[in-house]
Amino acid sequence: GAVVSQHPSWVICKSGTSVKIECRSLDFQATTMFWYRQFPKQSLMLMATSNEGSKATYEQGVEKDKFLINHASLTLSTLTVTSAHPEDSSFYICSARRQGAGIEQYFGPGTRLTVT
Amino acid sequence: GNSVTQMEGPVTLSEEAFLTINCTYTATGYPSLFWYVQYPGEGLQLLLKATKADDKGSNKGFEATYRKETTSFHLEKGSVQVSDSAVYFCALSDADSWGKLQFGAGTQVVVTP
Repeated sequence: GAVVSQHPSWVICKSGTSVKIECRSLDFQATTMFWYRQFPKQSLMLMATSNEGSKATYEQGVEKDKFLINHASLTLSTLTVTSAHPEDSSFYICSARRQGAGIEQYFGPGTRLTVT
Repeated sequence: GNSVTQMEGPVTLSEEAFLTINCTYTATGYPSLFWYVQYPGEGLQLLLKATKADDKGSNKGFEATYRKETTSFHLEKGSVQVSDSAVYFCALSDADSWGKLQFGAGTQVVVTP
């Protein structure tokens, strides 16, 4: 159990367009989901914490108007990269915390975004 | 603030060799400590964890002991296999930070036959 999926796994978009990435908890309810960004050969950087039904909490230095996060249900959170630029190209990873099950996070496989 | 420091890679080993990846942390409270593994092309998976001092986490032959006196959580495996080739991340979660994870930089391990 505790499977998290992301869709798409890989996306290419043109500069100036927006792209939406979905994160789903497939077999559990997740009150909290996290979004990370991972640069090549580097660690994960937490972008924001998303709680179901409320606004996301962004980490310092992350533009909330650029990276829109919605957590509309207990199994789905979305990250929309608006007006994407080449510097937004990265690997985006989500994780989910199971409702009522402590602090352990379950990670999705990630989404590779390339902005041309 | 909290931070995690782990040894730089890549670490290259022969099969059946002993593996140690050092991890030290800085935290104001009493964090939980984790080791995550990322196999090529896959997402992060929890390898093991420890939630209080002197706890030992273990899984798949890997072990790590939460040492409060040295603020360390070193990962060890007695005999590695080629399939252990991956990137290993040390992380901590502070109870005061809503369970947010602070990751180390990651250590790539390459095991050769």
